[in-house]
Amino acid sequence: AQSVTQPDIHITVSEGASLELRCNYSYGATPYLFWYVQSPGQGLQLLLKYFSGDTLVQGIKGFEAEFKRSQSSFNLRKPSVHWSDAAEYFCAVKGGADGLTFGKGTHLIIQP
Amino acid sequence: DGGITQSPKYLFRKEGQNVTLSCEQNLNHDAMYWYRQDPGQGLRLIYYSQIVNDFQKGDIAEGYSVSREKKESFPLTVTSAQKNPTAFYLCASRPGTGSTGELFFGEGSRLTVL
Repeated sequence: AQSVTQPDIHITVSEGASLELRCNYSYGATPYLFWYVQSPGQGLQLLLKYFSGDTLVQGIKGFEAEFKRSQSSFNLRKPSVHWSDAAEYFCAVKGGADGLTFGKGTHLIIQP
Repeated sequence: DGGITQSPKYLFRKEGQNVTLSCEQNLNHDAMYWYRQDPGQGLRLIYYSQIVNDFQKGDIAEGYSVSREKKESFPLTVTSAQKNPTAFYLCASRPGTGSTGELFFGEGSRLTVL
């Protein structure tokens, strides 16, 4: 069965600094990978997705992610964070018929 | 605008009562899902339906029930058998089996048991 690990429960970053959120997955075939963002009390919004092709994918709000098959990773990056980026971030993998499998999330805190 | 509507956004329930959470989508999506979210637990799949009049249990189906009588509707009932129902519930949908798997989410319903 597929699984997703987000090693960092909380990450604190200063406003304007760069960001990298880690995601490792376990899946037997070529994965479909996703990053979602969730503001408090809200639903999830898709930031970006990877299916095939270029391993560096661009998303909304200035985010990008790189798929590395050799490391089973799909890390999310942003060159310069804004206070509005404070939120919960979820990595997910598609496998089987039952939707997506999600990691437990990383809570991003932005320091002024 | 197309999207997924969940209601109510907040719901309070006494122990022993059943409650039903509504989920309606006008995206013409075939598949619909219910997830439960608890702090530090991520999202866990309760039930899903890939077609009208058919649904499957997810990882934590005990104490929950669903129906899929219409393509656009997938209500979730939290029964009195669910021992710890206080949580944030998210409904999602996606196009049919040929899709790339991206889920579209509603805004969620927060259930609190008093």
